[in-house]
Amino acid sequence: EAGVTQFPSHSVIEKGQTVTLRCDPISGHDNLYWYRRVMGKEIKFLLHFVKESKQDESGMPNNRFLAERTGGTYSTLKVQPAELEDSGVYFCASSQLTGSRGNTIYFGEGSWLTVV
Amino acid sequence: AQSVTQLGSHVSVSEGALVLLRCNYSSSVPPYLFWYVQYPNQGLQLLLKYTSAATLVKGINGFEAEFKKSETSFHLTKPSAHMSDAAEYFCAVSSNAGGTSYGKLTFGQGTILTVHP
Repeated sequence: EAGVTQFPSHSVIEKGQTVTLRCDPISGHDNLYWYRRVMGKEIKFLLHFVKESKQDESGMPNNRFLAERTGGTYSTLKVQPAELEDSGVYFCASSQLTGSRGNTIYFGEGSWLTVV
Repeated sequence: AQSVTQLGSHVSVSEGALVLLRCNYSSSVPPYLFWYVQYPNQGLQLLLKYTSAATLVKGINGFEAEFKKSETSFHLTKPSAHMSDAAEYFCAVSSNAGGTSYGKLTFGQGTILTVHP
C-alpha cells in the first residue's frame, strides 16, 4: 500500500513567485494534515482537513497560504506570493477518521521549499 | 494547551551504548504521546506511541519509552545503539482540537542522535 506522497520533493523559487505543493494521502484516510518546519525550529501544525472540509486552520501563518482538498482526496498548499521566511520543509500527513487522538498519523517525506 | 520539551538538541553515543532521549510534556488533557524518527532524506516514521494503556511502550527497532505521569515525562531508550540509529528523533503530544479528537500533534524541537563506532 502506498504511503503519503508529496510533490515536489524540492523546490527553489524567487521571492514573490507562487508555489503549489501537492499531497496524496494514504487511500481511505479522511484526515489530512499539513505541517511545516522552518530552519532550526520545531515542526508546527498548519491545518487539518476532514475529507474536503477544513477542520482546523489555526496554524496557517497568513493569507498568503491557501490549502484546498477538493473531493476529499489529494490536497494542495499554495504559497502566493512567497517570502524568504516561508523556506522550510512542508510535511503532509494522514490518518483514519475514527475519533481517537491515539490514531497513528502517517507522514510523507516532505516538500523542501527554498525561497531566494 | 499542550507543549513538549526535548532536553538536548544533540546526543552522541558510542555503538553498543545505551540511548536515552529525554522528553517532557505539558498537557491540559490526558496525553497521548508519540516518538517519531526521521532518517536522512526520509520522512517521519512512527517509532512508538502511548495511548493510556501500558505505561511501558515498546516500539520498532528495539526502542521503548516509559510514560511517567508524576514526572510528566516520556523518555525514549534503547539498550544498545547501532550505527543505523543515527537520525533525528521527535517527541509529540496529541492535542484535542475543538472538543473532538482528531490527533493534531504538537512537536518538540527534535534531538539529533549521533552514533560513533
